[in-house]
Amino acid sequence: EPEVTQTPSHQVTQMGQEVILRCVPISNHLYFYWYRQILGQKVEFLVSFYNNEISEKSEIFDDQFSVERPDGSNFTLKIRSTKLEDSAMYFCASSERLSGNTIYFGEGSWLTVV
Amino acid sequence: AQSVTQLGSHVSVSEGALVLLRCNYSSSVPPYLFWYVQYPNQGLQLLLKYTSAATLVKGINGFEAEFKKSETSFHLTKPSAHMSDAAEYFCAVSESTMNRDDKIIFGKGTRLHILP
Repeated sequence: EPEVTQTPSHQVTQMGQEVILRCVPISNHLYFYWYRQILGQKVEFLVSFYNNEISEKSEIFDDQFSVERPDGSNFTLKIRSTKLEDSAMYFCASSERLSGNTIYFGEGSWLTVV
Repeated sequence: AQSVTQLGSHVSVSEGALVLLRCNYSSSVPPYLFWYVQYPNQGLQLLLKYTSAATLVKGINGFEAEFKKSETSFHLTKPSAHMSDAAEYFCAVSESTMNRDDKIIFGKGTRLHILP
């Protein structure tokens, strides 16, 4: 069964460093998302992406964050100058279309900022 | 804006007993509703979804949920709990429009504990 894959599964980085989290969405999907889950808290929407541009972003998704689809398969989340509070599980997701279509999630990338 | 509220951050049931996880939603338009499960150290897996067809939705692993518009609820149930059901369960909602910003919003989650 097709799945969303994410790399790395776990990354430890020093405060202030840049991090790139990578995702390969399901191949025929057109809508891409990043969500975040701080330990013990709920899954929070960060950003949605369609047709090579951001569709919507939450208030969490400030100038520190950026997303990119550099080629036909990868979808990346870049965090510039990481802060301690960026430590979280980051989930990539994709869906084929809108209107209630199932959003499929990857296994997540656990980011630890020290 | 749409939202979901999950009642009870932790629920404990005995193995073999009924599982009931509560979710109430708020949406200005007919919603699409989802239940996702997260097993320890794993990602989010879709259990089931409601998309305005039958109000009783059957999902994987014996779970089902019933959409009740009058109560704005979408509670998740399973007749007989199994130890392997121990996980975090998230209720989620998205609005049924063709809006390109059609993201889903998660509840805070309910951790299900199964007692032997």
